[in-house]
Amino acid sequence: SQTIHQWPATLVQPVGSPLSLECTVEGTSNPNLYWYRQAAGRGLQLLFYSVGIGQISSEVPQNLSASRPQDRQFILSSKKLLLSDSGFYLCAWSVNQRGPGETQYFGPGTRLLVL
Amino acid sequence: AQSVSQHNHHVILSEAASLELGCNYSYGGTVNLFWYVQYPGQHLQLLLKYFSGDPLVKGIKGFEAEFIKSKFSFNLRKPSVQWSDTAEYFCAVNLAFGGTYKYIFGTGTRLKVLA
Repeated sequence: SQTIHQWPATLVQPVGSPLSLECTVEGTSNPNLYWYRQAAGRGLQLLFYSVGIGQISSEVPQNLSASRPQDRQFILSSKKLLLSDSGFYLCAWSVNQRGPGETQYFGPGTRLLVL
Repeated sequence: AQSVSQHNHHVILSEAASLELGCNYSYGGTVNLFWYVQYPGQHLQLLLKYFSGDPLVKGIKGFEAEFIKSKFSFNLRKPSVQWSDTAEYFCAVNLAFGGTYKYIFGTGTRLKVLA
């Protein structure tokens, strides 16, 4: 069966420091991968998605970037964190090509606090 | 712009009460609809989904949702809630837009069930 991992689970970082959050999926090949930020009362905001290695689409301009160095690995990064980057970051995957039959499955999330 | 609205942000019910959580979307084309649930300390997980066919969809744990196309709605229902249904519930829409597909989440509804 497929599983999705995220680490770290919790991270406290100072303003201006770099960030690297990792997401890996097991049990499937060539998944679609997604990074969301979940903020209280604001639902899930899609940050990036990837349909293949090295293919990254950004949904909103921001201080973050994403990379997909391997088929089942998706990394969220920042060179210099801002206070506003604090939040709960969720990684998700889906098995089909993006389309009407797509169902997304979520990881456990990383809670990031920027001080 | 396409959007998903969940008008109830917080709902408090007693055990055995009936539940209905509203979800409305704004998009005139074909949509696929989802309800996700996030129990305290757990992953966001799929509760049920509608792609086509019978507009009344049954999901896990006794939940159901009805797609009413004329009302652009996909309300979630459960006849008798339990304390273990305490969670945050998210409605989501997958729609075709700009040559690709977009997955849009509502802002979520926090349900608290009192024992």
